[in-house]
Amino acid sequence: SQTIHQWPATLVQPVGSPLSLECTVEGTSNPNLYWYRQAAGRGLQLLFYSIGIDQISSEVPQNLSASRPQDRQFILSSKKLLLSDSGFYLCAWSVLSNYEQYFGPGTRLTVT
Amino acid sequence: AQSVTQLDSHVSVSEGTPVLLRCNYSSSYSPSLFWYVQHPNKGLQLLLKYTSAATLVKGINGFEAEFKKSETSFHLTKPSAHMSDAAEYFCVVSERENSGYALNFGKGTSLLVTP
Repeated sequence: SQTIHQWPATLVQPVGSPLSLECTVEGTSNPNLYWYRQAAGRGLQLLFYSIGIDQISSEVPQNLSASRPQDRQFILSSKKLLLSDSGFYLCAWSVLSNYEQYFGPGTRLTVT
Repeated sequence: AQSVTQLDSHVSVSEGTPVLLRCNYSSSYSPSLFWYVQHPNKGLQLLLKYTSAATLVKGINGFEAEFKKSETSFHLTKPSAHMSDAAEYFCVVSERENSGYALNFGKGTSLLVTP
């Protein structure tokens, strides 16, 4: 069966520090991968999606970036965090673009 | 273009009573529709999905939803609420003819279950 992992589970970082969140998927090949952010009291905002290695599209211009160094690994990064980057970050995968997505457990990021 | 509207941001029910979470969608093509549940500080879990087969869809934990094209609705129901059902619920739409990539999430409905 397929599983999706995210780490770390929680993170507290000062403003201006770098960020690296990791997501890995097991049990499937060539998945579509997604990064979402969920701010307090708000819905999900799609940040990035990827249909293959080194094929990444950004949905919202911001100081975040994403990379996919391996087929089942998706990384969310920032060189300098802002207070507004605080939130709950969710990684997801799907078989095809318009099919249901399966979510990881999330990372709670607090920027202080 | 596709979008989804969850008509209630908060719903409160007593344990053992029925649950109704309302969702309306708009879609230019044949939509796929999903309901997800999110418990506090957890990821989203797929409850059920509609992909043009039977209009009444049964999901996990006793939930079901009915696709009504004439009403452009996909309401989520459960006959008897359990305390463990308290969570955030998201209605989601996707257009299969759309060559895009993303699901379109509603803003969520917070379900409170009281003893």
